[in-house]
Formats: sequence, C-alpha cells, structure tokens
Amino acid sequence: EVQLAESGGGLVKPGGSLRLACEVSGFTFSTYNMNWVRQAPGKGLEWVSSISSRSSYIYYAESVKGRFTISRDNAKKSVYLQLNSLRAEDTAVYYCARDLRGAAAGGMDVWGKGSTVTVSS
Amino acid sequence: QSVLTQPPSASGAPGQRVTISCSGSSSNIGSNAVNWYQQLPGTAPKLLIYNNDQRPSGVPDRFSGSKSGTSASLAISGLQSEDEADYYCAAWDDSLDVLFGGGTKLTVL
Repeated sequence: EVQLAESGGGLVKPGGSLRLACEVSGFTFSTYNMNWVRQAPGKGLEWVSSISSRSSYIYYAESVKGRFTISRDNAKKSVYLQLNSLRAEDTAVYYCARDLRGAAAGGMDVWGKGSTVTVSS
Repeated sequence: QSVLTQPPSASGAPGQRVTISCSGSSSNIGSNAVNWYQQLPGTAPKLLIYNNDQRPSGVPDRFSGSKSGTSASLAISGLQSEDEADYYCAAWDDSLDVLFGGGTKLTVL
C-alpha cells in the first residue's frame, strides 16, 4: 500500500525552528517528485515547496523562501522540510504529497495525513 | 487573496449538476494545465482531476474538468450527499510557483 507519514510537528516559539520528515512506503520513492503543502486553521491550501526525484530542481513559495529548506534522502525514502525563523502565520497542518507521474505541476495523487505546526509564544 | 479565483460557496440538490469555476491568468491557467482536489472535513486533499480533464483511477465519471483560456471548471453531475466538501483548483505559474485557488465549499441541499 502506498503511504506517506509525516512527523516532527509541534509547538514552537516565534523565531524558532522545526524539521518535518515524511517517510514513504509502497512505491519507488527515488523516481517521484515530492511536495509540501500547508493549510492554516480554517483556511485553504497553500503550496510550500517541491523537490524533483534527484533533488535537481527545488522550488519554494515566496512566503517561505529563505526560511524553509526542502531536502530528500532516497536511501531512507524520506523527504524533509526544515523550518527556520518561524512566524505565527506559519501555523498550519503541513502535508507531504507525491507528484502524479505524467500530471502537470500541481497534480499530487498521494497525500499524508499531515503534521501540525503551531508557532506561538 | 489567491491568484486563482474560485467562488467561496456553491450548492445543489441531490441529483443535480453543479459547476465550480477557477479563474486565473496567462501565466498560470492560460499556459499550464489545471488540477482539482476534493477535501472532506478533517481529511487530506484528494486529487479529482489532473491535466484539465483527466480522472485518476477510482474517481467516478460524475466528476469532470474543462479549461478554456485562463479559466477552468469542475463539474459534478448526479450530486450526492457525500460530495459535500471543499474543492480546490491548482496550477503551475510561470513564476515557478504552484498556485491553489481559495477553495469552494460545496453544500448538498
């Protein structure tokens, strides 16, 4: 069964850091592009970052550029999101999602259950 | 405010057909394909439509997508109570972003 499982969320003070991890199973991770998408409480979806299968291409939303870093370890079948200089507006559920092969960018066919990040003093 | 504009709400009676629109610009919908998601309360999003009008396996053919110029639409026919959810469009923008619409809350009357 194809599965994505996020971990690493929690409560952090403004200016603090967290590292989210997404461990996958059930498919050949090293051949898929991966994404992080977040959803603030009661709000819509916001794309955060994408990384290609071999880490050759990395993209970030303007709102997180310079503060967040996406990375992956194909041997560990995991993708990561390092969150630095956190702000209250970064409070959200962070989802890990797999690109659908053959779909245009933004087509993500498998999602994790999400990891909650709360930024508050 | 999202760059992809969706109506905040839509509604229909069981069995009816409902359409949700998504309006963008030449740098996103006008030059890239559109994807649609369904998000049931308390759950992760589910891909409904990709590449404007393609359905992933397992998605009923009651769901269909289309695109014309800088706008796209999701149509749901034979509306069912379990279709009550939030719906989002998404597309790549040439400024190297994935954009999501603000979402449309569908109510089945």
